[in-house]
Amino acid sequence: GAGVSQSPSNKVTEKGKDVELRCDPISGHTALYWYRQSLGQGLEFLIYFQGNSAPDKSGLPSDRFSAERTGGSVSTLTIQRTQQEDSAVYLCASSLRVSDEQFFGPGTRLTVL
Amino acid sequence: QKEVEQNSGPLSVPEGAIASLNCTYSDRGSQSFFWYRQYSGKSPELIMSIYSNGDKEDGRFTAQLNKASQYVSLLIRDSQPSDSATYLCAVRVNFGNEKLTFGTGTRLTIIP
Repeated sequence: GAGVSQSPSNKVTEKGKDVELRCDPISGHTALYWYRQSLGQGLEFLIYFQGNSAPDKSGLPSDRFSAERTGGSVSTLTIQRTQQEDSAVYLCASSLRVSDEQFFGPGTRLTVL
Repeated sequence: QKEVEQNSGPLSVPEGAIASLNCTYSDRGSQSFFWYRQYSGKSPELIMSIYSNGDKEDGRFTAQLNKASQYVSLLIRDSQPSDSATYLCAVRVNFGNEKLTFGTGTRLTIIP
């Protein structure tokens, strides 16, 4: 079956602009996770959703970052007023239920000029 | 102390030999452990999960967990050039805390 999909695959933006990153989880997966991977920082957790609610937003680096999930499926990660330090690969993962194995999408490479 | 530690490598192993990758974690309450493989420019791919002390085998891969010593390892038997990648160890602390905490990865190179 289809895996996790993310769009766009690449995004180049100017400092100060807002960006939206989209994640479409594996069909039937109820849990969805956002991570970020940057050089020298490894993979860091941002937020996860159980259904449409986000029990843990502890990893969001600042209030410029927000995420939502509607219909228990697609999720959008929004970064407002982007900064150069936001440049990274943003990875989405999903699992059948929370506490199950997480499967990653291909990621969105964000470059902030 | 980092929550999840891995030797960054690079680790070079001859083709056909056993590659041994190690990971230690700091939180004794950790419950779930995962190994991901990541090829350059690609996203992490789940290889193994392990939840109980002991060994778990899947094909050429064996995961080993020792909660008392707080380490988890991955053995790759009959290493192939296609196994060359970065291997990420990930830990979930406990049920109800669903995030995965990742090590920085070990770069493995299989030498033909």
